Amino acid sequence: AQSVSQHNHHVILSEAASLELGCNYSYGGTVNLFWYVQYPGQHLQLLLKYFSGDPLVKGIKGFEAEFIKSKFSFNLRKPSVQWSDTAEYFCAGGSGNTGKLIFGQGTTLQVKP
Amino acid sequence: NAGVTQTPKFRVLKTGQSMTLLCAQDMNHEYMYWYRQDPGMGLRLIHYSVGEGTTAKGEVPDGYNVSRLKKQNFLLGLESAAPSQTSVYFCASSPIRGQGIRPQHFGDGTRLSIL
Repeated sequence: AQSVSQHNHHVILSEAASLELGCNYSYGGTVNLFWYVQYPGQHLQLLLKYFSGDPLVKGIKGFEAEFIKSKFSFNLRKPSVQWSDTAEYFCAGGSGNTGKLIFGQGTTLQVKP
Repeated sequence: NAGVTQTPKFRVLKTGQSMTLLCAQDMNHEYMYWYRQDPGMGLRLIHYSVGEGTTAKGEVPDGYNVSRLKKQNFLLGLESAAPSQTSVYFCASSPIRGQGIRPQHFGDGTRLSIL
């Protein structure tokens, strides 16, 4: 069965620390991968997406993710987090022709000022 | 440009009551989706639609029904609400698949409590 899993459920960092959130997917074929962010009380917003080509994808607000096919991974990174990055982060993946996405469980990031 | 609009934003129901959640998008997207978000479980797909007049079951469809009579609207119905349906419901839409799956655009959510 297709699945997307996120390793870290709750991460606490101090400002300026580096961030890496893990995401693994378990289905074959052509995969499209996404990271979404949900700020407190808001809807999900797209951070970045991978379709094909360069496996290092840059998104908004200084985030980037690397697609490693051999590891079935799509980890999210940011070199220096800010208090405003406090949010819940979701990895999602999809394939096929219905546009359906499978979401990971989410990672809550808390950045201490 | 409103994007994806969900109504209502909050609702409290008693067990056994029925209600309909409305999702409207103004981006002319073909695909629409209903999710529920529960702590520690991410987003789970309830039902989805790949075009006007078509609907399909997602991961957790039991207890819900949907209709897509107009391209811009996607309705989610609870016929007989149960406490297990207490959740935050998100609607999303995406354009037709071109080169890969297109990103989904989300509404602000509906917080539903069933007593």
